[in-house]
Amino acid sequence: AQKITQTQPGMFVQEKEAVTLDCTYDTSDQSYGLFWYKQPSSGEMIFLIYQGSYDEQNATEGRYSLNFQKARKSANLVISASQLGDSAMYFCAMREGWATRQAGTALIFGKGTTLSVSS
Amino acid sequence: GAVVSQHPSWVICKSGTSVKIECRSLDFQATTMFWYRQFPKQSLMLMATSNEGSKATYEQGVEKDKFLINHASLTLSTLTVTSAHPEDSSFYICSASPPGQPQYFGPGTRLTVL
Repeated sequence: AQKITQTQPGMFVQEKEAVTLDCTYDTSDQSYGLFWYKQPSSGEMIFLIYQGSYDEQNATEGRYSLNFQKARKSANLVISASQLGDSAMYFCAMREGWATRQAGTALIFGKGTTLSVSS
Repeated sequence: GAVVSQHPSWVICKSGTSVKIECRSLDFQATTMFWYRQFPKQSLMLMATSNEGSKATYEQGVEKDKFLINHASLTLSTLTVTSAHPEDSSFYICSASPPGQPQYFGPGTRLTVL
């Protein structure tokens, strides 16, 4: 079974609009971390935002916010006021054991969502 | 955020040759680094976990004799693709994280084997 599911292969949005990229996850761990990364066509992976499983508040980072619904096991990324430069592939990822600060645990990635922003 | 560098950014080689890719953590020490492989328009697949001073841990299906990993210091891990073949052509990317922080990725290496 997939641990990270991103059901939207592609999303289209106009400049200045908000967009939500979906992510659901599956884990039996109580401690975990959820991450979103952006990958433009250059290939680099850019860290955007994270949410710890014990964090009560939804994470926010500038125009990015993470809509964390623990009971539903979802961690959707919301991008407000989209810009042309937001066009990229977006990956949701999980690291089990994050909350215990285990740096030695690899990330599990979803299949990604390609976001296209038009003017 | 933390900085991870990777070298080279792209390489073209002939079939049968070996290629070495370096991954460095520039502003932190990393006892663990990760190597991923990515095919076009697909997700990142974890190949192996590189551990400083000990053997790497390979994911199922990854040939350890083909993809040699050496983590010789707290800031450097290398991936050597031995006897490369066209099917090894891919985007290879490494990552590491300072304690308690997210994983930061290198810029990746595009390998093309002719």
